[in-house]
Amino acid sequence: AQTVTQSQPEMSVQEAETVTLSCTYDTSESDYYLFWYKQPPSRQMILVIRQEAYKQQNATENRFSVNFQKAAKSFSLKISDSQLGDAAMYFCAYKGAGAGSYQLTFGKGTKLSVIP
Amino acid sequence: DAGVTQSPTHLIKTRGQQVTLRCSPKSGHDTVSWYQQALGQGPQFIFQYYEEEERQRGNFPDRFSGHQFPNYSSELNVNALLLGDSALYLCASSLADGTYEQYFGPGTRLTVT
Repeated sequence: AQTVTQSQPEMSVQEAETVTLSCTYDTSESDYYLFWYKQPPSRQMILVIRQEAYKQQNATENRFSVNFQKAAKSFSLKISDSQLGDAAMYFCAYKGAGAGSYQLTFGKGTKLSVIP
Repeated sequence: DAGVTQSPTHLIKTRGQQVTLRCSPKSGHDTVSWYQQALGQGPQFIFQYYEEEERQRGNFPDRFSGHQFPNYSSELNVNALLLGDSALYLCASSLADGTYEQYFGPGTRLTVT
């Protein structure tokens, strides 16, 4: 079974600074998808960024980028120019790409605080 | 473009009762997944429905059941509620081929007393 580990329960960052959230995963599959979701206090889970394992290039979405290290099974999220609205729980998630792989497996999350 | 909607927002039930939660998928999506998120934890996969059938199930007892309607909306039913069933229940919709991300609704907060 796949597992996702987020080793940082809480992180904080100064407004306008950069922060990196860590995620490691364990899988025997060769092809899969990785995601970062943001869950603000409003509870709605919002997709931040997605990475396909077969792509070597790291995904980027505006101020959000990932460092995907397939051999190390590591998938960290970097948030640049942090804003107050970035404060939320961040979840790393894994999904297999094989037939019958439909579920997302989530880590326990990292609570990010942004200091004005 | 309507996103994923869920009802009700909050619900309080007594131990032993039964509950039904509802979800309407994002426009254009045909697959619905349900997740349980306990306080301070990441979401846990309950099951996924496609073509009105359950096509994958997580590690949840048979007390958890579901249904998908021809319009792709879905219901989650939980029988014989336990205190431990208190959680945020999230619905997510996606396309059937599974290659795209899942879009989540705002969730239903269930409290069992």
